[in-house]
Order: sequence, then structure tokens, then C-alpha cells
Amino acid sequence: SQQGEEDPQALSIQEGENATMNCSYKTSINNLQWYRQNSGRGLVHLILIRSNEREKHSGRLRVTLDTSKKSSSLLITASRAADTASYFCATDSWGGANSKLTFGKGITLSVRP
Amino acid sequence: ETGVTQSPTHLIKTRGQQVTLRCSSQSGHNTVSWYQQALGQGPQFIFQYYREEENGRGNFPPRFSGLQFPNYSSELNVNALELDDSALYLCASSWNKNEQFFGPGTRLTVL
Repeated sequence: SQQGEEDPQALSIQEGENATMNCSYKTSINNLQWYRQNSGRGLVHLILIRSNEREKHSGRLRVTLDTSKKSSSLLITASRAADTASYFCATDSWGGANSKLTFGKGITLSVRP
Repeated sequence: ETGVTQSPTHLIKTRGQQVTLRCSSQSGHNTVSWYQQALGQGPQFIFQYYREEENGRGNFPPRFSGLQFPNYSSELNVNALELDDSALYLCASSWNKNEQFFGPGTRLTVL
């Protein structure tokens, strides 16, 4: 079963614009992570935010977490054509000794040059 | 590049056959997790191995089994293949079950 649900399912923007992707989940979590996947290949880890954190930045990425609403958002600023990929949020309800990831279905981002 | 490698890259099997997929974890990592990703879906957790012991299993039947070796590399075995087993199989390695680094995956097609 899939815990996270990303929204929208697909997003198309112009290069230079910002892309915002949302993720909602159902059960309490230890942390939430965002991954990128290019053309059905391996997943690239983007950022991890823990349940006691509200916002985190990494380069052009900004992630927020609202545990009261069980939701997270990923903002990519000044998008580039190379950002075209599928993006997944993954929740880890246990962390540490029993860490396992539960993924959503993903968001397809297309950045037009 | 994460340092996690998987073999083979692609594989075609027929229904009823058995398959073994392999994963070499990143240097220094002692935990390997396996995921199945069907087309258009997110990855689904199959199981995890920590120091050669199974440490958690997702909702997959017993014909999905695994091993972890002393060097922390791992195998995923699937018996009695079904058409629905066609998917991208991903392994991820981590240190003491923390942040997971994914390999490029093995694309399995069952005919």
C-alpha cells in the first residue's frame, strides 16, 4: 500500500519558473524524504526532513513539513531543463533500527527550455 | 553515482521461471533494502537485510526471498514468476538502516 500521495500528478513549467510539489500522508512519521528519478532509473535522494523540523533548504530545494496536516511540499526554484524527472515523496514511520520507506506514486515534472 | 551497483541491468524471463537479482552495497554500508517499482507507480518495499538477517518485510508472498552475504552484498530471488512481477527492482544500501542510497535498478520482464 502507498502512504504518500503527491499532488499534482504532472506539472509542466517554463525554465526559470518555480515548481511546487505537494505530498500528503496518512500515518505518523519519523521523517519524510524526497527523491528524483530520471526515465525509470535509480532514485536520487534529494532531501530528508525529520518530524521535528518544519523547513529545510538544500541549494535550489526547499522542503516544508506540517505534521498536523500530514503534508509536505517541495519547492524547486529557478527550474532548469535538467530538473525534468519524476519526483517521489517517501515516508519513514520508524526511522533508525526499523527504517523502511513508503513511497507515493510520484509527480512527473517537465521543464520546458 | 551512489556506489550501489545492481546486476543484471535487464532480464527477460517466462512465467513459472525463477530469477536471482544481485546488489552490491556502497562501501561501508551494512543494510540493504529491496523495492519493486511497477510501471507508473512508486517503489514498494519488499524486505530489508541488516547484518545478514532479514529486518522487516513488506506485503510480498514467500516466493520473494533474499540473502545478504558477509560482505553485505545481497540477492533477491523470485520463484514461480508471474506476469505481474514485471517491474524495476531497486536495491538501496545504508549504514545502520539510516539514509538509503539507491542503485540503478534491474528491469525484469516476465512473458
